Amino acid sequence: NAGVTQTPKFQVLKTGQSMTLQCAQDMNHEYMSWYRQDPGMGLRLIHYSVGAGITDQGEVPNGYNVSRSTTEDFPLRLLSAAPSQTSVYFCASRIQGKYPYEQYFGPGTRLTVT
Amino acid sequence: DAKTTQPPSMDCAEGRAANLPCNHSTISGNEYVYWYRQIHSQGPQYIIHGLKNNETNEMASLIITEDRKSSTLILPHATLRDTAVYYCIVRVTNTGNQFYFGTGTSLTVIP
Repeated sequence: NAGVTQTPKFQVLKTGQSMTLQCAQDMNHEYMSWYRQDPGMGLRLIHYSVGAGITDQGEVPNGYNVSRSTTEDFPLRLLSAAPSQTSVYFCASRIQGKYPYEQYFGPGTRLTVT
Repeated sequence: DAKTTQPPSMDCAEGRAANLPCNHSTISGNEYVYWYRQIHSQGPQYIIHGLKNNETNEMASLIITEDRKSSTLILPHATLRDTAVYYCIVRVTNTGNQFYFGTGTSLTVIP
């Protein structure tokens, strides 16, 4: 199986534009999440989902929307891009509700907002 | 609130053991300690986890103190490919079992 896949790998946006970062997993994981990583920083949780139809906010949710219509997909929407959203975005998935909560990460999407 | 404290950087000679410390003094009794690493700009990779007892797998060993307030990740024979940022994470149970990453330790393995 492919694990966690993310598209696109790179994206440049102008301020005010909107876009959707795609994330898909083929491991039938209930839990999926989005993180952002700024230069020299650790990962910060944006949004997460514990199953189809259920989403919740993480540490830094402002400016982002998510939805979860299927188990496999968890897209992240930037509503009106700002330079402060320039970052690397990682999607992750894991089995929900069972230890050891090992997360599987995608390769990341590198977003630049000018 | 990452709930863990790690040194920002460490060096290790190739072939020697790398010992990466982590403080997690506010850990709750049922919270596991997880270690991940991030090589260059790739997605983080799971290494090992533990609750109370020391753990070992094919990648590393995890030593947790008896009071559980700190732990050490040991890479027994570091190679150049182990150069990465290592994150020590305690799962936060009061927010839906989320992982909060700190800034990690940047380990450089020196030839």
